[in-house]
Amino acid sequence: EAGVAQSPRYKIIEKRQSVAFWCNPISGHATLYWYQQILGQGPKLLIQFQNNGVVDDSQLPKDRFSAERLKGVDSTLKIQPAKLEDSAVYLCASSLGPDRGLGNEQFFGPGTRLTVL
Amino acid sequence: QQQVKQSPQSLIVQKGGISIINCAYENTAFDYFPWYQQFPGKGPALLIAIRPDVSEKKEGRFTISFNKSAKQFSLHIMDSQPGDSATYFCAGYNFNKFYFGSGTKLNVKP
Repeated sequence: EAGVAQSPRYKIIEKRQSVAFWCNPISGHATLYWYQQILGQGPKLLIQFQNNGVVDDSQLPKDRFSAERLKGVDSTLKIQPAKLEDSAVYLCASSLGPDRGLGNEQFFGPGTRLTVL
Repeated sequence: QQQVKQSPQSLIVQKGGISIINCAYENTAFDYFPWYQQFPGKGPALLIAIRPDVSEKKEGRFTISFNKSAKQFSLHIMDSQPGDSATYFCAGYNFNKFYFGSGTKLNVKP
C-alpha cells in the first residue's frame, strides 16, 4: 500500500514570496490533515478536511495561508506571502475517518521542509 | 492552551536500559492515546496506542501505562537500543482531531 506522498521535500524562498505544497493521501482515506512542525515542537494542526470539506481551520493564518482539497483526494497548501516565522516542516497526514476505533490511525507523509530567508 | 504536556524534553539512556517518557492531558473527552516515533527527515509513525479503558498495553519492548484518574500516561521502552534513538510524541484524540505533546528526543548510547 502506497503511503502519503508529499512534494516538494525541501523549499527555500525569500520572505514575501509565495510557495505551495502538495499532498496525495492514502487511497480511500477520507480525512486529510495539514500540520506545521516547528523545530523542537510537536505537530500543530493547520487545517483538517473530511472528504473535500473543511472540518477545522481554526489555527490556519488565513491572511496568508490557504488550502484546498478538490475532489476529496489530493490537497495543496499555499503560503502567500511567506514570513520568516513560517520556516518549519509541513506535514500532511491522512486517516480513514472518524469513528473507526483504532482504525483512526493517522499516516504521515515525509513532510516538506520550508526555509524562509 | 496545551492539551497534552510531555516530559522530559530530551533523554539519554544507555543501551539495554529503560526509557520512560511521560505525558499528562487535560481533556477528559480524549478516547485514544497514540505514541508516535519520528526519525530525522521522516514523518511521525504510529508506534503504539491505547484506549482509556485499559491500564496497560504492551507490544514487544514498548509498553504504555495509563492512569485515567491522574490523567497521565507514559511510554516505557525496555532494553533500549541505539536504533530507538528518535523523537517521540504522545497525543490525545477525540472528534477526529489529534493533540500532540511537544516531543522527547531520545538518545540511546551504545
